[in-house]
Amino acid sequence: EVQMLESGGGLVQPGGSLRLSCAASGFTFSSYAMTWVRQAPGKGLEWVSLISHTGVTYYADSVEGRFTISRDNSKNTVYLQMNSLRAGDTAIYYCAKDARGSSGCYDNWGQGTLVTVSS
Amino acid sequence: DIQMTQSPSSVSASVGDRVTITCRASQGVDSWLAWYHQKPGKAPTLLISGASSLQSGVPPRFSGSGSGTDFTLTISSLQSEDFGTYYCQQAKSFPWTFGQGTKVEIK
Repeated sequence: EVQMLESGGGLVQPGGSLRLSCAASGFTFSSYAMTWVRQAPGKGLEWVSLISHTGVTYYADSVEGRFTISRDNSKNTVYLQMNSLRAGDTAIYYCAKDARGSSGCYDNWGQGTLVTVSS
Repeated sequence: DIQMTQSPSSVSASVGDRVTITCRASQGVDSWLAWYHQKPGKAPTLLISGASSLQSGVPPRFSGSGSGTDFTLTISSLQSEDFGTYYCQQAKSFPWTFGQGTKVEIK
């Protein structure tokens, strides 16, 4: 069974940092692109970042230069390092697995981890 | 960036009704279009990829069509478990973008 389990969310002050982790299982992790999508309270889905199976990275303009995505294929884990956090980054952060390696659509999602940026 | 615009923003329909949701891209995305369903408090689930390919395990009452800039998600006979919010997403060019969502309520 394919599973993704996010962790690392919590309350952080503006300007602070957090590192989210997403531990994956049930598939050949190294063969799939992974992505992070967030959802602010009561709002829609916003794509945040993607890392290809080869390690190429992409970011939304809103997080470029502040967030860094990475992966450790030996641990089947993808990370999202978030620096210079702002109130607008408050959201549930989901990690998701590409449906067919690099199709750009996502067939398995974690349960999400809540990040709250507030003083 | 490619903007995705869904309509309507919300729809209220009865069990058995046919429901159609449209998604328009600000520029062509070929068939790089997916549809997701999200229930309150849950993660999204993938319904359709490639604009019209039904994901394994998704009931055949769901169908997708379109290419280029105009896309449609159709629920042929609405069921009670279909409530929630539906999102389209383009994967033609970065940054990936989602529509604002269409909330489906059961009368």
